[in-house]
Amino acid sequence: GQNIDQPTEMTATEGAIVQINCTYQTSGFNGLFWYQQHAGEAPTFLSYNVLDGLEEKGRFSSFLSRSKGYSYLLLKELQMKDSASYLCAVNSGGYQKVTFGTGTKLQVIP
Amino acid sequence: DSGVTQTPKHLITATGQRVTLRCSPRSGDLSVYWYQQSLDQGLQFLIQYYNGEERAKGNILERFSAQQFPDLHSELNLSSLELGDSALYFCASSGGEWVTDTQYFGPGTRLTVL
Repeated sequence: GQNIDQPTEMTATEGAIVQINCTYQTSGFNGLFWYQQHAGEAPTFLSYNVLDGLEEKGRFSSFLSRSKGYSYLLLKELQMKDSASYLCAVNSGGYQKVTFGTGTKLQVIP
Repeated sequence: DSGVTQTPKHLITATGQRVTLRCSPRSGDLSVYWYQQSLDQGLQFLIQYYNGEERAKGNILERFSAQQFPDLHSELNLSSLELGDSALYFCASSGGEWVTDTQYFGPGTRLTVL
């Protein structure tokens, strides 16, 4: 089966940097997604990592280590609007099955 | 606004009933994906259609079925409804056929089963 773990909640200060971790155990790993979801809204795609390493997109970066079954999402220069849930999701198997973690609720405080 | 529309926005029904949720993808997108998000199970991928054909399948129950029509809109049919089917159902669309393509989510349909 699949197992995806993320912290349930995190709190960080406006202007700071926060790292949200995701660990996974799966067979047939293809890649890993990160989504942002504000309360009551639909998820928004942030990133998709296939290869090991860091990918940067503005204030958001995502890192993947396939050998360790580990990923993180790095948010820099935090803004109040970054308060949201961050979902990590694993793409695996020949049928491109996507399995989501339970999400990390990030609260940004002044 | 992602360009993906879903109707209805809210739906309240009783156990044992059947409902149909509708999704219109962004103009030009060929793939439609269905997701279920409940408090206890989180977000779950249900199924993907690409240009009318089933492309990928997730944790979709046998009581649930979907199809994509020639005009590319899609419907998700939920039958023999149970209390546990109460959830937010999202539809997403993308231009290509792979789940790794950037998906644009609709606003969702909130289903309440009483």
